[in-house]
Amino acid sequence: NAGVTQTPKFQVLKTGQSMTLQCAQDMNHEYMSWYRQDPGMGLRLIHYSVGAGITDQGEVPNGYNVSRSTTEDFPLRLLSAAPSQTSVYFCASSETSGGVGAKNIQYFGAGTRLSVL
Amino acid sequence: EDQVTQSPEALRLQEGESSSLNCSYTVSGLRGLFWYRQDPGKGPEFLFTLYSAGEEKEKERLKATLTKKESFLHITAPKPEDSATYLCAVQAWGGSNYKLTFGKGTLLTVNP
Repeated sequence: NAGVTQTPKFQVLKTGQSMTLQCAQDMNHEYMSWYRQDPGMGLRLIHYSVGAGITDQGEVPNGYNVSRSTTEDFPLRLLSAAPSQTSVYFCASSETSGGVGAKNIQYFGAGTRLSVL
Repeated sequence: EDQVTQSPEALRLQEGESSSLNCSYTVSGLRGLFWYRQDPGKGPEFLFTLYSAGEEKEKERLKATLTKKESFLHITAPKPEDSATYLCAVQAWGGSNYKLTFGKGTLLTVNP
């Protein structure tokens, strides 16, 4: 049972380059999300999806795009990388997005560590 | 705006020395409070979720409790393998993004 898988684990980009961070889950989870973690700050929500074909912005969406064509995959795209996007990125998923209980627990991947020079 | 404050920022214990971590929160309506453990270079690992004041949950040497304003993570007789950053997060009712609002974490070091 792989859970939430993120690739790559590490990436170095130059300012202006584009790239896609991959996230896949094998738990048939409805809800998926992307967070970034910066030193001295809590994790912050970038984008989220409540199901295939449905995405929306979180609290820090600028500079990032997402799509969700399948239940399993939720890639995060950086169109033109900036040094301010240097961070650790985590993908998370939960069985459902509404309600209360175990189905609402978000499980995280191991992260992608991104440096933009 | 939902807010989570964790204290202390860092805690150093001797093996076997029990202590507690604090998570104070303000939220419009609490859907759930979550505790995660994060090891260096890894993603947050789910520990507990609490839903209403007075609720308690235990797992090995860890016990989480919840009041209307804060949560405590009690660590009884810790071992070096308990060393990690412990993250607290809240999820609120209402809105559409189901986001977790995280605190900055408490870095726990347990010395042998």
